[in-house]
Amino acid sequence: AQSVAQPEDQVNVAEGNPLTVKCTYSVSGNPYLFWYVQYPNRGLQFLLKYITGDNLVKGSYGFEAEFNKSQTSFHLKKPSALVSDSALYFCAVRFNTDKLIFGTGTRLQVFP
Amino acid sequence: DTGVSQDPRHKITKRGQNVTFRCDPISEHNRLYWYRQTLGQGPEFLTYFQNEAQLEKSRLLSDRFSAERPKGSFSTLEIQRTEQGDSAMYLCASSLLAGDGNTIYFGEGSWLTVV
Repeated sequence: AQSVAQPEDQVNVAEGNPLTVKCTYSVSGNPYLFWYVQYPNRGLQFLLKYITGDNLVKGSYGFEAEFNKSQTSFHLKKPSALVSDSALYFCAVRFNTDKLIFGTGTRLQVFP
Repeated sequence: DTGVSQDPRHKITKRGQNVTFRCDPISEHNRLYWYRQTLGQGPEFLTYFQNEAQLEKSRLLSDRFSAERPKGSFSTLEIQRTEQGDSAMYLCASSLLAGDGNTIYFGEGSWLTVV
């Protein structure tokens, strides 16, 4: 069965430091992988996706993610965190069927 | 594009009442999705449409839930005889069939509180 795991409920980082939010997936074949961000009481905003090609994907707001097929991971990264990056981040996979399957989310807290 | 629009944004209803949510997708998006999200959880797939055809329904979608997209444009999600367990945020999303790398765009959600 297709699934996505976000092993950390919360990630804390100081402003200006690099951040990583982890995601691993379990799916046979070639997945489409996505990251979304959710601010309090808001819907989900699309950040970036991996479909095919270059394993390093760049997205909105300075975020990037690296697809690693051997480790079945798609970690979200940013070189320098901002306080305004504090939010809930969701990794999602899409395979064959048209729906997205989401992880449980990771709360990112950036401290000034 | 004005984005995916959902109405109402918040609804408080008494247990046993019926509620209906409306979703207007991004113009020309022929796929429309409904998801449900409870506090502390990721969104869970409920159903999706391609144009007016409902192509898949989750087992989460009990008989009390019905979704329609009559003209392939806006969609409604109706919950009959609401229960407290229905309290959640209902998210609508849309995408093109092809040409956009299959990105699914979400609306702001409709919060339902059943008291």
